[in-house]
Formats: sequence, C-alpha cells, structure tokens
Amino acid sequence: GAVVSQHPSWVICKSGTSVKIECRSLDFQATTMFWYRQFPKQSLMLMATSNEGSKATYEQGVEKDKFLINHASLTLSTLTVTSAHPEDSSFYICSAVAGPNIQYFGAGTRLSVL
Amino acid sequence: GNSVTQMEGPVTLSEEAFLTINCTYTATGYPSLFWYVQYPGEGLQLLLKATKADDKGSNKGFEATYRKETTSFHLEKGSVQVSDSAVYFCALSRYSGGGADGLTFGKGTHLIIQP
Repeated sequence: GAVVSQHPSWVICKSGTSVKIECRSLDFQATTMFWYRQFPKQSLMLMATSNEGSKATYEQGVEKDKFLINHASLTLSTLTVTSAHPEDSSFYICSAVAGPNIQYFGAGTRLSVL
Repeated sequence: GNSVTQMEGPVTLSEEAFLTINCTYTATGYPSLFWYVQYPGEGLQLLLKATKADDKGSNKGFEATYRKETTSFHLEKGSVQVSDSAVYFCALSRYSGGGADGLTFGKGTHLIIQP
C-alpha cells in the first residue's frame, strides 16, 4: 500500500521556539493532505486541509498564524508550530489523499514543549 | 456538527472470540463511514469503508454495515486472533463519494486479544 512518512516522530523543544514537521507521500502524489491533532485519550481532530500550490484551509478554532502549513510540492506538506508553548504539546498526524476518499496516514509526531 | 461515538476500551477478548465494537454517528447529509486500525508505532490504516446506506464494508474477516436508520456502523469479526490487537477508530467524512475531505474520528477503542 501507499506510504506516508512523517518526520520527526518525536520532538522536544523549548517554549517560544518554532518546530517544523514534515509529511511526505513516498510512492504517490498527493494534491491534498490533512493535518490532525490528537490529545491523550481523545479523538483525532482535523486542523487543516493542505492543498498543493494554494493556501491551507483551517478548521474553526485553529490559529493559522500559529500553525503554518506549506504544501510546496505534490509529495511534501509541512506544519510549523510557531512560538510553541506547553499547551501546544500534542500528537500531530498527517494524511495524504491517494484517491476518492482514500487517505493514507503518517505514524504521527509527538511534540513536547518544555 | 458531525460527531462519532464509539465504545471505549480497552476491550479484552480471548482468541477466537466474537468481536463487536460499537460506533454511532451524528452527521448532516450522507457521509461515508470508515474503520481505521492502528498498530503500535504505525500510522492509521484503512480497514474498511461504506459509502451509502445498507452498504457492507469487509476486509480481513472484519465487517461493518452502514445503518442509516440507527446511525450506526458497528465493527464485527467472528473469530479474533492475537494479531488483531490494535486500536480501532471509527470515522466519517462529509462527502459520500469522490473528493477529498477531512475525517471526523471517534476516540478509538483499544482491543487486546489474549491467547
């Protein structure tokens, strides 16, 4: 099956710094990728839709200036958490669309902000 | 808005037992419904899906039927194996057919199968 690689798998950073998370589709091209966030024992929450070559679409309540998304190519989307704070600590998961309603997910990135 | 409710775990069963994981949803329109499975250290994998009422999705011995009248999509398997131990997520998308849409997930159910 199709593979989506997410990097890094775990990152620890100091409060106030920025962190970039990469999501790559390894063996297919993805015009659309999604970014989700998961808190412990909670469901995945859709944060934004990343479209290649255009601006991301953010879900209600998600700060677009806090969570910068860049989808510069058909195989790469990046999520940058700017000026991270402890409340941004979470598990971030991306998915890439490979066909009609078919999404392949990355293994996720655990962000810990000290 | 859309929401998905699934039974919380962990669910612990013996090998060869019958499995049911309940999932109900709230949505406008005609969503597609999915079950995803996540093994330790891996990304979510699509297990099965159904795109319209009365459709039955099936894969690897797992089945789920899209019940619009009860807004449910319960996951079943007749005889579980130790290798089925994982976290299972029920999810829906807003669109019934083609096109890409972000998913609304349940909280996940941790399934543990004992030998």
